[in-house]
Amino acid sequence: GAVVSQHPSWVICKSGTSVKIECRSLDFQATTMFWYRQFPKQSLMLMATSNEGSKATYEQGVEKDKFLINHASLTLSTLTVTSAHPEDSSFYICSFPGTVSYEQYFGPGTRLTVT
Amino acid sequence: GQQLNQSPQSMFIQEGEDVSMNCTSSSIFNTWLWYKQDPGEGPVLLIALYKAGELTSNGRLTAQFGITRKDSFLNISASIPSDVGIYFCAGYYPMSNTGNQFYFGTGTSLTVIP
Repeated sequence: GAVVSQHPSWVICKSGTSVKIECRSLDFQATTMFWYRQFPKQSLMLMATSNEGSKATYEQGVEKDKFLINHASLTLSTLTVTSAHPEDSSFYICSFPGTVSYEQYFGPGTRLTVT
Repeated sequence: GQQLNQSPQSMFIQEGEDVSMNCTSSSIFNTWLWYKQDPGEGPVLLIALYKAGELTSNGRLTAQFGITRKDSFLNISASIPSDVGIYFCAGYYPMSNTGNQFYFGTGTSLTVIP
């Protein structure tokens, strides 16, 4: 399967600051990427779909001004959590779609802790 | 977004025992998927099911796509310690206007006692 990396793997930040998470595919290109959030002992919830060259599509209830997504290239998407609050503490996971419609290749995730 | 109901929520079993978990939905899906997630990692695809009634195996894992297209189960035979992790089901159906749609189950945490 495809190799997807995320950076950083974990980050601790103070409330009110912004944090950028990078998601990079190492061996293929994609015009679309997905960003998920996973709270402890819960399932993955889709936050937004990142589109290369255009605006991201956000799921209902996800604040687009708070979670800024930039699909900079066919191999890189970034998620910036702006003015982070403790309730934003979560595990953020990106994924790239594969060549088959149902395929997704997930990154290893980024653990965000806001103090 | 929609969540799929997965049961049981957690399991503690002895090494060598068989495991069974299932996933139900109020909606029909075209594809059912089963993933395993290790702590601090992203999910890894185990099995994909494409049509109702399909039974598919991957080593010690066997999964079935329910006839109604609203459910699926995963069995693990002769469990080993490395089977520990959280197992997620996911349903998928393509949406022509807004793109593909995935919905994940609530997860089953598996602990294997050596």
